[in-house]
Amino acid sequence: EVQLIQSGADVKKPGATVKISCKVSGYTFIDYNIHWLKQAPGKGPEWMGLVDPEDGETVYVEKFQGRLSITADTSSDTTYMELSSLRSEDTAVYFCATATSPVFDYWGQGTLVTVSS
Amino acid sequence: EIVLTQSPPTLSLSPGERATLSCRASQSVSSFLAWYQQKPGQAPRLLIYDTSNRAPGVPARFSGSGSGTDFTLTISSLEPEDFAVYYCQQRTNWPPSYTFGQGTKLEIK
Repeated sequence: EVQLIQSGADVKKPGATVKISCKVSGYTFIDYNIHWLKQAPGKGPEWMGLVDPEDGETVYVEKFQGRLSITADTSSDTTYMELSSLRSEDTAVYFCATATSPVFDYWGQGTLVTVSS
Repeated sequence: EIVLTQSPPTLSLSPGERATLSCRASQSVSSFLAWYQQKPGQAPRLLIYDTSNRAPGVPARFSGSGSGTDFTLTISSLEPEDFAVYYCQQRTNWPPSYTFGQGTKLEIK
């Protein structure tokens, strides 16, 4: 059974950095890209970027460039999403997801990040 | 960037009725259109990919159709568990890009 298990909710002050983990099981980690998505309150999901666990190559959406880092650790089958210079608009639930079909067929449970002073 | 517009924003129907949800793209997405269902506090669940292919385990009452810029998700006879928010999503292969619509909330009338 494919599972993506994310780290727990976090509260950060403006300007801080958050790092969320996503541990994968149920398939060979390097076989599929891992994607990260943001879902702000009351909004649809927003794709942020991806990592290819096989070689660490990343693709980031331009609006997050410079603040976003997605990495993969093949020794623990875990990916990490780090977002820096947090502001109130970054308050959201963040999901990792994988695409064994052409689209996002397996998702983590989501991690709520609250940015508040 | 391709923008997806879903209509209606809210759809009020009763169990047993037929639901028709629409998704319009700002430019052609070929057949690369997917549909997801999301319930409160849960991750989205993939229902349909590449316009009309049901994901494993998705009931046959869910069907997708369309091409180019206009797509439809149809639920033939609503079950109580179908009341949720539905999102359409498009993808481009290279450079990779994925965008979602703003959602249609399917609520019990």
